[in-house]
Amino acid sequence: GNSVTQMQGQVTLSEEEFLFINCTYSTTGYPTLFWYVQYPGEGPQLLLKVTTANNKGSSRGFEATYDKGTTSFHLQKASVQESDSAVYYCVLGARGSALGRLHFGAGTQLIVIP
Amino acid sequence: GGIITQTPKFLIGQEGQKLTLKCQQNFNHDTMYWYRQDSGKGLRLIYYSITENDLQKGDLSEGYDASREKKSSFSLTVTSAQKNEMAVFLCARRDIYEQYFGPGTRLTVL
Repeated sequence: GNSVTQMQGQVTLSEEEFLFINCTYSTTGYPTLFWYVQYPGEGPQLLLKVTTANNKGSSRGFEATYDKGTTSFHLQKASVQESDSAVYYCVLGARGSALGRLHFGAGTQLIVIP
Repeated sequence: GGIITQTPKFLIGQEGQKLTLKCQQNFNHDTMYWYRQDSGKGLRLIYYSITENDLQKGDLSEGYDASREKKSSFSLTVTSAQKNEMAVFLCARRDIYEQYFGPGTRLTVL
């Protein structure tokens, strides 16, 4: 089946520190991988997307690279800001999955201390 | 641009009560979704609908009903609210492979 694992429930950093959020996935199909970000009081919004065709996605200073060998899709940012504080979800959309259905990880709460 | 609206923003109910949450979108998109969000558990799919009058069960459909009488609206009903239940219910619409979410309805059951 399709599943996503995010082991880090919470990450706390100071401003300008390096961010790394771990994500691994399992699928029998061809994956499209997403990172969604959710700010307080809002619904999740797309941060970046990667398909098997392009391997790497980036947006607003965040980067994620799809590694088929390790089935990983980690999120990185070189220097975080207080405004990056939010919940980050690693999300799997498997091609052939019914009707564009997405599978969400448990989410990682990022807290950035000024 | 279009919007996706969820009402109410906050919903307080009593144990055993039937509660209805509403979602409206003006994108004319076909596929819509209802998710439940619990702290530390990510988003779990309750129901989805590929077009008006279509309903498909997700992983968490027990205890819920849904209705899609027209393409622009998708309602979710909690058939019998559970005491001390607290969760956020998120509605989403599909645009090709991406999903766009509403702001959510926060449910509290006393």
